[in-house]
Amino acid sequence: QVQLQESGPGLVKPSQTLSLTCAVSGASITTAANFWTWVRQDPGKGLEWIGHTSYSGKTSYNPSLKSRVIISLDPAQNQISLKLTSVTVADTAVYYCAGGAGFIDFWGQGTLVSVSS
Amino acid sequence: DIQMTQSPSTLSASVGDRVTITCRASQRISSWLAWYQQKPGKAPTLLISRASNLQSGVPSRFSGSGSGTEFTLTISSLQPDDFATYYCQHYDNYPYTFGQGTKLDFK
Repeated sequence: QVQLQESGPGLVKPSQTLSLTCAVSGASITTAANFWTWVRQDPGKGLEWIGHTSYSGKTSYNPSLKSRVIISLDPAQNQISLKLTSVTVADTAVYYCAGGAGFIDFWGQGTLVSVSS
Repeated sequence: DIQMTQSPSTLSASVGDRVTITCRASQRISSWLAWYQQKPGKAPTLLISRASNLQSGVPSRFSGSGSGTEFTLTISSLQPDDFATYYCQHYDNYPYTFGQGTKLDFK
């Protein structure tokens, strides 16, 4: 059974970079999913697809975030990472890492990141 | 971007009821649609992919149908564990987008 666990700072200051990692256990990120994805959710609101990447190097981002986001894989650590630059209060959300093939088969538990000075 | 619109936004129902949630896409997406269930404080879980493919372990009272621009999620007989928020998501082209959610609560 694939399990995902997000980690990173729970508080980021405006204009700084949000950095999260997602540790994958129970399977290798090179084979367990076609795509590794980040999704976020405003507290009490809906879901926003941030982007995904594959082990083969195919990466796509939401155009609304494209200039600020990087998703990458670390096969040696079996981890997925998210970097979001120049954050504002609008980036406050629960961030989920996930895996699947377009649809999302499995999700991490999510981590709340607040942007505040 | 393809806009996904769910209706209703809130649905009040009772145990044993048959309920249907609709998801409409602003463009044709073939059958590239998934449904998720989310409970408070938890991550979503996948119920259905490719519009009608029930995921392993999901009760058979859940079913999905549709193609093109209109899709439905049906729960044939509501159980207490089904009261949650449901989201559709297309994965036809980028960026993938979700519906705004349908909250299913007790009547």
